[in-house]
Amino acid sequence: GQNIDQPTEMTATEGAIVQINCTYQTSGFNGLFWYQQHAGEAPTFLSYNVLDGLEEKGRFSSFLSRSKGYSYLLLKELQMKDSASYLCAVRVDTGGFKTIFGAGTRLFVKA
Amino acid sequence: SAVISQKPSRDICQRGTSLTIQCQVDSQVTMMFWYRQQPGQSLTLIATANQGSEATYESGFVIDKFPISRPNLTFSTLTVSNMSPEDSSIYLCSVDPQDRGGADTQYFGPGTRLTVL
Repeated sequence: GQNIDQPTEMTATEGAIVQINCTYQTSGFNGLFWYQQHAGEAPTFLSYNVLDGLEEKGRFSSFLSRSKGYSYLLLKELQMKDSASYLCAVRVDTGGFKTIFGAGTRLFVKA
Repeated sequence: SAVISQKPSRDICQRGTSLTIQCQVDSQVTMMFWYRQQPGQSLTLIATANQGSEATYESGFVIDKFPISRPNLTFSTLTVSNMSPEDSSIYLCSVDPQDRGGADTQYFGPGTRLTVL
């Protein structure tokens, strides 16, 4: 089966750095996404990793290790507006592409 | 990129009725996806809708409850049939341009917020 795990909630302080981990067990791996979702809104794309290593994009970085089935999203210089849910999602190719989502991590940024 | 619109944006329905949600994309895509997001939870894939073939449903979802149409490469509908309060969710349409090559993201519509009384 396909399984994606990430912490349910995290709390961090404004200006700090936070790392949100994601582990997955899937077949037909074809890439890993991170999405940000504010309450009542659709998910917003943050990053996509298909090869091992670190992808940096401004205050956000995402890391992937395919051999370990592991990814993390790193958020630097946290701002209050970063309080949201962060969704780890894996694209799989099982004769056709589809994307499976983890349960999401709710991040609370406090002053 | 792809711009996706959904209709209606929200609706309040009575138990036992059906609602059809429309999804329109501004470009042609082979694969469209329908997701459900129940309150406080993440996204669950309902089905994959490919133009010209029957939709492929995920475990726990059946065609009688969630019939899907995909008449062309830019449009799809999802019907939520014989609704109950447990169907209260946000329903999201999504496209994955991977089938066109070179893209690295998946696009979501704004969602349809359904409340069943």
